[in-house]
Amino acid sequence: NAGVTQTPKFRVLKTGQSMTLLCAQDMNHEYMYWYRQDPGMGLRLIHYSVGEGTTAKGEVPDGYNVSRLKKQNFLLGLESAAPSQTSVYFCASSYLGGTSLNEQFFGPGTRLTVL
Amino acid sequence: GDSVTQMEGPVTLSEEAFLTINCTYTATGYPSLFWYVQYPGEGLQLLLKATKADDKGSNKGFEATYRKETTSFHLEKGSVQVSDSAVYFCALRGISSGSARQLTFGSGTQLTVLP
Repeated sequence: NAGVTQTPKFRVLKTGQSMTLLCAQDMNHEYMYWYRQDPGMGLRLIHYSVGEGTTAKGEVPDGYNVSRLKKQNFLLGLESAAPSQTSVYFCASSYLGGTSLNEQFFGPGTRLTVL
Repeated sequence: GDSVTQMEGPVTLSEEAFLTINCTYTATGYPSLFWYVQYPGEGLQLLLKATKADDKGSNKGFEATYRKETTSFHLEKGSVQVSDSAVYFCALRGISSGSARQLTFGSGTQLTVLP
């Protein structure tokens, strides 16, 4: 049981390049999230998904797109990277059960630098 | 909207010292409150949680009490160890998160424990 995994772990891009971050979970969770972590700002929600085939915007969605074609995978895309997108990106998932206390499980993060 | 204010770090303590990390929040109604811990190079892990006023969450010697009157959820440990060195995040899930059930995070507090 790997939990939540993220690919890649590190990446350096030039301004204007594109890339996709992959998140995978093997816990059969319904909900998946993408956060970014910046110094002194905690984690901020970029996009989220409440189930396969559905996505929605979070707090800071501009410059990102997402897709949830399979329940276990949640992809985060940067079409034209900008230096302001230099950050650590975390994926998380949670199970939608009978309790409101759905713990979020986090991946190890992807450190992205945009030059 | 919801917000979490966390004690700024970094915090450096000697082994066996007493730890307090302050956390206060702003939210409508009665949010659920969480402490997450991030060890070096890893994703966030849930440390403890509380769902209603006067609840005490505890785990691994850490405790935090949900104080509605002071809107606080301070993290405490009586005797820290070197292995407790990590970044600690206070978070909440409020009713305004709606269907996203997203977490709102504080900025994190870096704790270093010296032998």
